[in-house]
Amino acid sequence: DQQVKQNSPSLSVQEGRISILNCDYTNSMFDYFLWYKKYPAEGPTFLISISSIKDKNEDGRFTVFLNKSAKHLSLHIVPSQPGDSAVYFCAALGGGTSYGKLTFGQGTILTVHP
Amino acid sequence: DTAVSQTPKYLVTQMGNDKSIKCEQNLGHDTMYWYKQDSKKFLKIMFSYNNKELIINETVPNRFSPKSPDKAHLNLHINSLELGDSAVYFCASSQQGDPNEQFFGPGTRLTVL
Repeated sequence: DQQVKQNSPSLSVQEGRISILNCDYTNSMFDYFLWYKKYPAEGPTFLISISSIKDKNEDGRFTVFLNKSAKHLSLHIVPSQPGDSAVYFCAALGGGTSYGKLTFGQGTILTVHP
Repeated sequence: DTAVSQTPKYLVTQMGNDKSIKCEQNLGHDTMYWYKQDSKKFLKIMFSYNNKELIINETVPNRFSPKSPDKAHLNLHINSLELGDSAVYFCASSQQGDPNEQFFGPGTRLTVL
């Protein structure tokens, strides 16, 4: 039972445009949602997070939006840069699971073309 | 000055063998994790240790045994390796009270032949 889903396996965007990565979840008890970025042959690195009591969090070019009623979150990258090309994982914390347990989506491959 | 390091980076072995993967973090964190990324690219937690004590143990076969000699190390021992154990294994660490930002190692690609 996959509680966090990223239904788009890949996304291709032109440099300078907006990238929108989407994530859906089923467990309404999750406390935090996070985005991780992963380059090939490296481990995931934390990008940005949002508490379940907020609907938006911004950090530079990255903004995460949370729609609790729809159980949906999205990551916006503006403007997109070629160095943003990576796999992006959505993850969730809490929800009655063990402390510190991150539940990951399956990832979306973002390619930003120059 | 790698924050979370894993050895080896690649491990190729025969079915039935016993192998270990080592993980060390120099961030001063008190919580460490092992994740498995399978062929479908899902990242799933296996274990978590806080101050050398097991706090998360997902439904992992008991052929997998984590060992934490101190809070900077969490090693993963795997006995009687099976084909389905082939995956990339990631170690991670975080500070208790802030599980949001888990720092991951580079991963160990295990191939069982």
